[in-house]
Amino acid sequence: DVKVTQSSRYLVKRTGEKVFLECVQDMDHENMFWYRQDPGLGLRLIYFSYDVKMKEKGDIPEGYSVSREKKERFSLILESASTNQTSMYLCASSLRGTDIGKQYFGPGTRLTVT
Amino acid sequence: AQKVTQAQTEISVVEKEDVTLDCVYETRDTTYYLFWYKQPPSGELVFLIRRNSFDEQNEISGRYSWNFQKSTSSFNFTITASQVVDSAVYFCAWGTSYDKVIFGPGTSLSVIP
Repeated sequence: DVKVTQSSRYLVKRTGEKVFLECVQDMDHENMFWYRQDPGLGLRLIYFSYDVKMKEKGDIPEGYSVSREKKERFSLILESASTNQTSMYLCASSLRGTDIGKQYFGPGTRLTVT
Repeated sequence: AQKVTQAQTEISVVEKEDVTLDCVYETRDTTYYLFWYKQPPSGELVFLIRRNSFDEQNEISGRYSWNFQKSTSSFNFTITASQVVDSAVYFCAWGTSYDKVIFGPGTSLSVIP
C-alpha cells in the first residue's frame, strides 16, 4: 500500500520560531509537493521538487523554503513563522510523466502559529 | 492563466439523492488533463479520476460518473444514489504534462441520512 507520511498531525508554534515539516514517501516517486489548504482557497502550491536537490517555486513560496536531500524525503521550512502561516499543510508525491497528475497525499499537518 | 472554478461551496443532500458537482476551467493549452480528488474527513486527498483533453467520452465508475464538455470548459461529477460515506470535500483540478496541478477551491458535500 502506497504511503505518504507527515511528521505531525497537529503543531503549535510561536511567532518567529523556525518550523520544520517533514514528509516521507515510500513509493520511489520523483515528484514531491507541498501545498497549503485554506477554506475557500483550495490547495495552493508552495514548492515542488522533481528530483533530489531540485526545487521549484509554486504559487505562494514567500516565507517558505524546502529541502530535498533524499528522494523519499521533502521538508518544508518556515524560517520565521508568522500568524498568517496558520494553515493545513499537505504533502504529496507522484511519478514523473507516466502517471500525470495522479498525486498521493499525506494526512496533512495542521499548523497553528500564535 | 489557468484557473479552476467550483461555484458550489457547500451542498447538502439527503441520502439516496443524486448530486452533481460542477467544475469549470480556463486554459489556452490544447493538451491538458482534468482531475477529481476526494478529501474525506480524515484529511487525505484521494485521486478519483483523470481525463485528457482529447478524450471527451463520459466515464462511469459505479455510482460515480463524469461529464467532460470542452465546448463549455466543464468537467462535472455526478454521484448517483448518494451515501453518507460520500460526505467529503471534492476538488476539481487541472494539469499539464509538467505534472504541476492547479486545484479548484473545493465543494463540501454533506449527505444526510
